[in-house]
Amino acid sequence: TQLLEQSPQFLSIQEGENLTVYCNSSSVFSSLQWYRQEPGEGPVLLVTVVTGGEVKKLKRLTFQFGDARKDSSLHITAAQPGDTGLYLCAGAGEETSGSRLTFGEGTQLTVNP
Amino acid sequence: DSGVTQTPKHLITATGQRVTLRCSPRSGDLSVYWYQQSLDQGLQFLIQYYNGEERAKGNILERFSAQQFPDLHSELNLSSLELGDSALYFCASSAPGHLQETQYFGPGTRLLVL
Repeated sequence: TQLLEQSPQFLSIQEGENLTVYCNSSSVFSSLQWYRQEPGEGPVLLVTVVTGGEVKKLKRLTFQFGDARKDSSLHITAAQPGDTGLYLCAGAGEETSGSRLTFGEGTQLTVNP
Repeated sequence: DSGVTQTPKHLITATGQRVTLRCSPRSGDLSVYWYQQSLDQGLQFLIQYYNGEERAKGNILERFSAQQFPDLHSELNLSSLELGDSALYFCASSAPGHLQETQYFGPGTRLLVL
């Protein structure tokens, strides 16, 4: 069973601060996705990373896939209240294409004005 | 808007009852996935269909079943409902080929079993 551990579980920061969320596993994933979820809504895809060592930037968000494709991080620069939400990482397995996603338990981020 | 639609948005029912949740994937997507999200368990994969055929099974109870129809919409049937089945149920879809691993989620159905 592939497991993804996210840390921290909760994060409350002030507007303008930087933060990093980590997603770790002992398993190798063929790709990893980051989602953001608002209360009562479905997860919204932020990014998919595929290649080991890959770095992708989305405005103030920087996503990195570990060289061994076992871990990933999400770094937010100058956080804003609008960044508040549940951030989920999800890994796709190596064994089949179109495979299930294994989700981490999420990081609940609160950015205070 | 992900392009994935789910109905109903909310569902309140009693223990022992049966309900059907419906999902329409994004145009062109062949895969449909069902997930359950509860407060204490996070997002759990239930089942995947690809072009009408069951592709993968996760933590889906025997009381639950699903199917994907020729027009690619999918239904998740939950029967003999228990209080613990109260959760958000999400459907996701993905494109064929190497892009299958990126899944797009619908807005979910919130099920409350009383």
